[in-house]
Amino acid sequence: GQNIDQPTEMTATEGAIVQINCTYQTSGFNGLFWYQQHAGEAPTFLSYNVLDGLEEKGRFSSFLSRSKGYSYLLLKELQMKDSASYLCAVVDSNYQLIWGAGTKLIIKP
Amino acid sequence: GAVVSQHPSRVICKSGTSVKIECRSLDFQATTMFWYRQFPKKSLMLMATSNEGSKATYEQGVEKDKFLINHASLTLSTLTVTSAHPEDSSFYICSAREELPYEQYFGPGTRLTVT
Repeated sequence: GQNIDQPTEMTATEGAIVQINCTYQTSGFNGLFWYQQHAGEAPTFLSYNVLDGLEEKGRFSSFLSRSKGYSYLLLKELQMKDSASYLCAVVDSNYQLIWGAGTKLIIKP
Repeated sequence: GAVVSQHPSRVICKSGTSVKIECRSLDFQATTMFWYRQFPKKSLMLMATSNEGSKATYEQGVEKDKFLINHASLTLSTLTVTSAHPEDSSFYICSAREELPYEQYFGPGTRLTVT
């Protein structure tokens, strides 16, 4: 079966750095997305990785290792508005998105 | 980025009535649109995949006669919840996909409450 694992909840302090991990086992791989979702709102796109390595975009970076079936989202200089759920999603061999359950990130002052 | 609109954003209806939700891709042609349902504090649950001009593909456990999906054009898909019941109350989100890199652009969601 297909499976995406990410922690259910994480807590971090404003101004700090947090890393949210995602491991996957899917039938095929055509890329991995990270989305941010605030409560009561639809997800918004953060990053897309299809090749191994680190992609940096402002305060957010995303890393992929295809051989390990592993990705992480790194958030720097945390702000209170970063409190949200972060969803990992993998594009499988049929080009369908397989969703993780999401990681709820709580930022404390 | 691409914009997807969804209407209405909130709807309250009485049990037994039907509700139609529209999803539009505003600045691109979406050959494929997806309908998701999300329960509080849960991840997205894919209900169905719709391709323009053809019948929707429903996920296991989703009643196609209850959740009618129409993808009549490259920019519009509709979800009709027929004979709604209180257990159908949920957050319904649509997304539209471009061909490459298969990113999905999400609509803002529709909060359905059935009384």
